[in-house]
Amino acid sequence: AQSVTQLGSHVSVSEGALVLLRCNYSSSVPPYLFWYVQYPNQGLQLLLKYTTGATLVKGINGFEAEFKKSETSFHLTKPSAHMSDAAEYFCAVSQGSNYQLIWGAGTKLIIKP
Amino acid sequence: DTGVSQNPRHKITKRGQNVTFRCDPISEHNRLYWYRQTLGQGPEFLTYFQNEAQLEKSRLLSDRFSAERPKGSFSTLEIQRTEQGDSAMYLCAGTLSGVETQYFGPGTRLLVL
Repeated sequence: AQSVTQLGSHVSVSEGALVLLRCNYSSSVPPYLFWYVQYPNQGLQLLLKYTTGATLVKGINGFEAEFKKSETSFHLTKPSAHMSDAAEYFCAVSQGSNYQLIWGAGTKLIIKP
Repeated sequence: DTGVSQNPRHKITKRGQNVTFRCDPISEHNRLYWYRQTLGQGPEFLTYFQNEAQLEKSRLLSDRFSAERPKGSFSTLEIQRTEQGDSAMYLCAGTLSGVETQYFGPGTRLLVL
């Protein structure tokens, strides 16, 4: 069965610093890969996704992620953190005709002033 | 705003009571998914519909849970004889067939006392 691992349940960075949130998946076949963001008491908002083609994917709010097949990774980055980035971030994969999403446990991003 | 709505947003009930949640995707979404998210975890797949047909159910969906999508538009998720372990956020997502991106509603947070 597929699984998604997000390293670090909490990541704390200073405002203006680089954000790096890690995601590794287990799959012998490259899946579709997603990052979603969840603000408190809200639903999940799509940040970015990888399906095929260019392995560096740009998303909303200045985030980007790189698909590395050899490392089975899809890490999320942002060059300069902003206070409004404080939220929980989820990595997910889907595969197969029903596109069911398999989720990581999430990483809570904390921004220090 | 994804255009997917869920009602109610919050529900407090006593153990043993029945509850029903509703999800309204946008009209173009012929696929609809239900997920459950407990505190500190990523969402877990419960079930999905293609139009009005329920095509897959997770083993998480015990016989106390039932979901319907009678006319291929809105969907309901009912939990009978609620237990404290049912306390969670219930998320609904819609998408088009053949499209891998799911668009989430704001969720219904259930608390069973």
